[in-house]
Amino acid sequence: EIVLTQSPGTLSLSPGEGATLSCRTSQSVGSSYLAWYQQKPGQAPRLLIYDASSRATGIPDRFSGSGSGTDFTLTISRLEPEDYAMYYCQPYRSSPPYTFGQGTKLEIK
Amino acid sequence: EVQLVESGGNLVQPGGSLRLSCSASGFTFNSYAIHWVRQAPGKGLEYVSGISNDGGRTYYADSVKARFTISRDNSKNTLYLQMNSLRVEDTAIYFCVKGRGGMRDGYNYYFFDYWGQGTLVTVSS
Repeated sequence: EIVLTQSPGTLSLSPGEGATLSCRTSQSVGSSYLAWYQQKPGQAPRLLIYDASSRATGIPDRFSGSGSGTDFTLTISRLEPEDYAMYYCQPYRSSPPYTFGQGTKLEIK
Repeated sequence: EVQLVESGGNLVQPGGSLRLSCSASGFTFNSYAIHWVRQAPGKGLEYVSGISNDGGRTYYADSVKARFTISRDNSKNTLYLQMNSLRVEDTAIYFCVKGRGGMRDGYNYYFFDYWGQGTLVTVSS
């Protein structure tokens, strides 16, 4: 079973700053089989990034994904007030069932 | 516009049963796998179950295998989750999720591009 580690658990940053979120997997997920989701309180998650670096429909270009193998990164270049939320990663190298990361909470400093 | 609308969540006693439904619109339902993902109060996301576009393949988390059954009716654009022998730890919001992905080395893989708003299942005496 694949084990995921998202870090940091909580990230406190000010609007306008850049954010770097990490997702590490215990096994290689190949070159690109990883997605990132954003979830705001009381809302359903929303797909941000798929195939490690492709932005989903309607996602601003301040969000970018990178990485391969076991190390992946979600970068938010300039934080907007609406970006403060929980972020989850999900590898999908094989068939389900899948494991999600435990999440990184991005909070306003 | 893609829409996924869950229903059927309720308060149920441990050992009881419940059937969730998910009504889909805005896309060709019979072309996509659909899944259930849940979130316990204050916790992260947990994959529950999924079904291929034609119903030929089903997927289950170990935690629900043999207790939950997923099915779909492509003539009604509706997904179902029959939940039996419910436990307190099944308490969660259950999200219906549209899968998107492909095939690699004979395996289907999915990420989740559209989510419903969820339906709350509470298992408590």
